[in-house]
Amino acid sequence: AQSVTQLDSQVPVFEEAPVELRCNYSSSVSVYLFWYVQYPNQGLQLLLKYLSGSTLVKGINGFEAEFNKSQTSFHLRKPSVHISDTAEYFCAVSEGGGNKLTFGTGTQLKVEL
Amino acid sequence: GAVVSQHPSWVICKSGTSVKIECRSLDFQATTMFWYRQFPKQSLMLMATSNEGSKATYEQGVEKDKFLINHASLTLSTLTVTSAHPEDSSFYICSAPPGGRNSPLHFGNGTRLTVT
Repeated sequence: AQSVTQLDSQVPVFEEAPVELRCNYSSSVSVYLFWYVQYPNQGLQLLLKYLSGSTLVKGINGFEAEFNKSQTSFHLRKPSVHISDTAEYFCAVSEGGGNKLTFGTGTQLKVEL
Repeated sequence: GAVVSQHPSWVICKSGTSVKIECRSLDFQATTMFWYRQFPKQSLMLMATSNEGSKATYEQGVEKDKFLINHASLTLSTLTVTSAHPEDSSFYICSAPPGGRNSPLHFGNGTRLTVT
């Protein structure tokens, strides 16, 4: 069975600083990987996805993530954060294609002035 | 494009009553939709997969008689919480894949259910 681990429940960072949100997964088969962002009392918005091909994936709002198969990781990065990036970020995995997602526990990114 | 609309955005009901939540794909057809539940400051847990024209597939531990799912058309799935109790209070979110199987899910804005 697949699982997703987000070790950091909360990440505080100053505005314009870089940030990395960590995500590790476990699966016995090939996976598709996703990062979603959730603003308070809203649904989830897709930031980026890895399905195949280049391991460096660029998404919306200046975010990017790198798929590392040997380390089973898919960390999310942004070189310079903005106050508006304050939100909850979820890493998710689906095994072998298909739409059924397993989510990590989420990381609260708090950007401060 | 590829909007998933969920209604209502919030609802308060009394214990013992039933509540229906609608999930619509506005500009695409979805043979499959997914219902998630999210407790405060926790992750999303998949409750069930809604299948157009057939029975929903429920995840282990989810009571199918309590959480009734109907997917009557290619653009509408409904979740009915029957005989609601305070412990059913939660944030319910639906999702659908605009591009069919293997495409990323698009999510509705969720429904905050409070049972008093």
